[in-house]
Amino acid sequence: GAVVSQHPSWVICKSGTSVKIECRSLDFQATTMFWYRQFPKQSLMLMATSNEGSKATYEQGVEKDKFLINHASLTLSTLTVTSAHPEDSSFYICSDRVMGLAGRNEQFFGPGTRLTVL
Amino acid sequence: SQQGEEDPQALSIQEGENATMNCSYKTSINNLQWYRQNSGRGLVHLILIRSNEREKHSGRLRVTLDTSKKSSSLLITASRAADTASYFCATGGGSNYKLTFGKGTLLTVNP
Repeated sequence: GAVVSQHPSWVICKSGTSVKIECRSLDFQATTMFWYRQFPKQSLMLMATSNEGSKATYEQGVEKDKFLINHASLTLSTLTVTSAHPEDSSFYICSDRVMGLAGRNEQFFGPGTRLTVL
Repeated sequence: SQQGEEDPQALSIQEGENATMNCSYKTSINNLQWYRQNSGRGLVHLILIRSNEREKHSGRLRVTLDTSKKSSSLLITASRAADTASYFCATGGGSNYKLTFGKGTLLTVNP
């Protein structure tokens, strides 16, 4: 399957600072990437769909001005958590969508980024 | 609410036993996928079953899909301690290719 990397794998920051998380598709060109957030012992919640060369599509309840997404190339999408607060502490996971045979929809996930806001 | 709901929420078994996890969903789907997540890690895709399929096998994994009941099951046979992880079902469909995940089942396989 496709290989997706994320950087950093973990980050600790002070409240009020901004944090950028990178998601790279290493062996496929990904026109679409997805960003998820996962709180402890909970499921993944889709935050936004990142589209190469265009604006991201945000899920209901996700503030686009707080979670800035940039998908400037076919292999890189970035998520910037602006003015982070402790409640933004979470596990952020990206994925890219790879179209297989007969239109099957398969996503390959990065290893995740653990964000802790103090 | 979550599209997929897994049960049980937690399952603890001994090595060598079989583990069965169930997933129910609410709306019509194009396909259903199962993923595995080790603690603090990303997700690994296990298997995809399309809405016109009823059963699928991959190694020690067996997935069934009953669209009339809107449910799926994942069976792991001859479990190993290394199978300890959280397992999520995810439903996908439509042109937006988005996945909606269930709450997951935490499987613990004791050696």
